[in-house]
Amino acid sequence: DAGVIQSPRHEVTEMGQEVTLRCKPISGHDYLFWYRQTMMRGLELLIYFNNNVPIDDSGMPEDRFSAKMPNASFSTLKIQPSEPRDSAVYFCASSTGTDSYNEQFFGPGTRLTVL
Amino acid sequence: GNSVTQMEGPVTLSEEAFLTINCTYTATGYPSLFWYVQYPGEGLQLLLKATKADDKGSNKGFEATYRKETTSFHLEKGSVQVSDSAVYFCALSDPYSGGYQKVTFGIGTKLQVIP
Repeated sequence: DAGVIQSPRHEVTEMGQEVTLRCKPISGHDYLFWYRQTMMRGLELLIYFNNNVPIDDSGMPEDRFSAKMPNASFSTLKIQPSEPRDSAVYFCASSTGTDSYNEQFFGPGTRLTVL
Repeated sequence: GNSVTQMEGPVTLSEEAFLTINCTYTATGYPSLFWYVQYPGEGLQLLLKATKADDKGSNKGFEATYRKETTSFHLEKGSVQVSDSAVYFCALSDPYSGGYQKVTFGIGTKLQVIP
């Protein structure tokens, strides 16, 4: 299996622009997670989906952030408008959720820089 | 709520030295505990796990024992290698708070092993 795929790997944009990050989970996994990693705050869960349905979006920082999962093999995280404080590495992860403990498989991340 | 506290790094060791990274947790119920590792430029990957008290997780020479009485899950390795240089995250999932799917991560401890 190719693992979790994220694109782009790097994104540089200017303040005010719309940014869309993309994720393809591992086939057969029914949970998908979006995380943000910064030096100051560490790894933060933004939102997660089960069977394409958003379950918990309490970590989404504000209305500028939105996430969708139109089908089992694709999800997007959108920031509109972007701000310099959104600069971070964004990870997507997926899991099966069938075990009593839940191993998450992470993608390589998208490094976002907002100028 | 749930939380994970781990020692702040960076930790710098010489090759073949003994490694300990401390981790303590707070949880409502009886969580599953994890150590994830992040190599430079990559996403996190599961290193080891333990699902109940006194369980010992082990992988690649690393070990951690689930200590309920001290609410700890310290990571140890008897002889580190340069290839172990990475960031190590302690984490938990608590079925009584957020469910097995929601994982709480510590801040991460950077390990640097010098030849």
